[in-house]
Amino acid sequence: KQEVTQIPAALSVPEGENLVLNCSFTDSAIYNLQWFRQDPGKGLTSLLLIQSSQREQTSGRLNASLDKSSGRSTLYIAASQPGDSATYLCAAYSGGGADGLTFGKGTHLIIQP
Amino acid sequence: GAGVSQSPSNKVTEKGKDVELRCDPISGHTALYWYRQSLGQGLEFLIYFQGNSAPDKSGLPSDRFSAERTGGSVSTLTIQRTQQEDSAVYLCASSLVLVTGELFFGEGSRLTVL
Repeated sequence: KQEVTQIPAALSVPEGENLVLNCSFTDSAIYNLQWFRQDPGKGLTSLLLIQSSQREQTSGRLNASLDKSSGRSTLYIAASQPGDSATYLCAAYSGGGADGLTFGKGTHLIIQP
Repeated sequence: GAGVSQSPSNKVTEKGKDVELRCDPISGHTALYWYRQSLGQGLEFLIYFQGNSAPDKSGLPSDRFSAERTGGSVSTLTIQRTQQEDSAVYLCASSLVLVTGELFFGEGSRLTVL
């Protein structure tokens, strides 16, 4: 059964720093991996979707990489801003129906002004 | 609509009452998903629809939970005889293509059972 782990569970950094959030998964046979952010009391907002054939995806200050062989994905945030404060979740899709999509528990990120 | 819409946004009910949660997906999205998020916990998968069909209902926590989707659009999640452990945020998502496509989530329905 796929397990997705996100470490650290919480992270606090000063504004302007570049930072990396980690996501690891136990079954490397995934079809895609998706990163989301969740603001308090809100739903999830999709940030980046990486297909298994891709190594990375970029959107603005965000860059997500995928290394299937090592079971890892990273989300790189450049020049962090207070508005980036949120919980970031990754989800790996291992196939089958929708129950094949496994979410991590997230990294709670605080950017200090 | 422009995004996934869920209602009600907040629901407080008494133990033993039935509740209905509604999800209106993005127009044209064939796949629809229900998740539950409890305080401090990850997302728990409940059920998904491909069109109006729910191929696998085994993710529903108990037989008090049921879901349907009509017209390939709106879905309702019904919880009968609510219990305090049903208190959570119920999130709905939709995608153009089942799972291999990008998922778009609604804001959620926060259910509190007293």
